[in-house]
Amino acid sequence: DIQMTQSPSTLSASVGDRVIITCRASQSISNWLAWYQQKPGKAPKLLIYKASSLEVGVPSRFSGSGSGTEFTLTISALQPDDFATYYCLQYDGFPRTFGQGTKVEVK
Amino acid sequence: EVQVVESGGGLIQPGGSLRLSCALSGFTVRSNYMSWVRQAPGKGLEWVSVIFGGGDTYYADSVKGRFTISRDESKNTVYLQMDSLRAEDTAVYYCARDHSDVWGQGTTVTVSS
Repeated sequence: DIQMTQSPSTLSASVGDRVIITCRASQSISNWLAWYQQKPGKAPKLLIYKASSLEVGVPSRFSGSGSGTEFTLTISALQPDDFATYYCLQYDGFPRTFGQGTKVEVK
Repeated sequence: EVQVVESGGGLIQPGGSLRLSCALSGFTVRSNYMSWVRQAPGKGLEWVSVIFGGGDTYYADSVKGRFTISRDESKNTVYLQMDSLRAEDTAVYYCARDHSDVWGQGTTVTVSS
């Protein structure tokens, strides 16, 4: 099974900060990686697919990069609506695996 | 409108069974990979199972042999039959189109005596 290691688990930041979240795969997954945002009590929302493609309707301050085993999600200037938990998901093979999640909280 | 709606959650005793349903609209179960993902209270997302458009299935090791995913094309619905339930199966269960933005609102399963 492919393991996804996400870091950090918690990130304290302020509005306007640049935020970077990392996911590392235990083996190459090419660019078959998605990033999701989840708020309490809500279903996850897709932000990025194929490692760097922005989902329709997602603000351009979100960006993804990487391939193979190292991936990053960057929020260029954190907005109040961005305080949430973020997950990576590999979809190169089965079982699918999520990262452990990164909670972005108010500093 | 493309959407999925889950139902069937509830309180069940350990060792019991429950069947979750996921009704699709705006797209067909035959042409998509459909997954179940769960989230235990205060925990992260855990992928559970998938059914391919052709009917093949995969399961997480944690549910293999206890859970069965299936579909009814005539009802455009996906099911998750959960048997031999354990306390650690307590979670919100989401139905989702594989690696997409189509997720249901979730249905809560609580396994407790």
